[in-house]
Amino acid sequence: DIQMTQSPSTLSASVGDRVTITCRASQSISIWLAWYQQKPGKAPKLLIYKASSLESGVPSRFSGSGSGTEFTLTISSLQPDDFGTYYCQQYSTYITFGQGTRLEIK
Amino acid sequence: EVQLVESGGGLIQPGGSLRLSCAASGFAVSSNYLSWVRQAPGKGLEFVSLIYSGGGTYDADSVKGRFTISRDNSKNTLYLQMNSLRAEDTAVYYCARQHNSGWNWGQGTLVTVSS
Repeated sequence: DIQMTQSPSTLSASVGDRVTITCRASQSISIWLAWYQQKPGKAPKLLIYKASSLESGVPSRFSGSGSGTEFTLTISSLQPDDFGTYYCQQYSTYITFGQGTRLEIK
Repeated sequence: EVQLVESGGGLIQPGGSLRLSCAASGFAVSSNYLSWVRQAPGKGLEFVSLIYSGGGTYDADSVKGRFTISRDNSKNTLYLQMNSLRAEDTAVYYCARQHNSGWNWGQGTLVTVSS
């Protein structure tokens, strides 16, 4: 099975900061990677699919990059509503999720 | 508009059975890859089962032999039959659809396995 390793596990940043979350796959998944934001009690919200495609309605401060085994999610200027837990998901072979990154706003 | 609406969750005793449903609208379940994903309280997301458009299925090792994913094309509904339930199966269960432009998710249904 493909393992997804996400880092960091927790992140504390200030409004306006540039934030980067990394996801590493145990083998190549090409561009078959999605990023989600989840808030307490809610379903995951799709942000990015196919590694770098922005989901409709998602603010342009969110961007994704990478291919193969290394991927990043970047928030260019952190906003107060961006708190939550972020997950990466590979869908090259079945589905696997990263363990999540909890983002706190300072 | 695409919608996925899960139902069927509840409180069940260990060893019991439950069937979850996911009613789809805005697309045909027969033409898509559909999955069940769960999230235990305070934990991360975990893949459970997948059904391909061709009808083939794949289950996570943690549920293999106990859970069965299926679909009813006439009702445009996805199912998850869960047998021999354990305390560790307690979670919110989401159905999800993969398509060319990403993923759609339902709002989830809570399954609690407890005596």
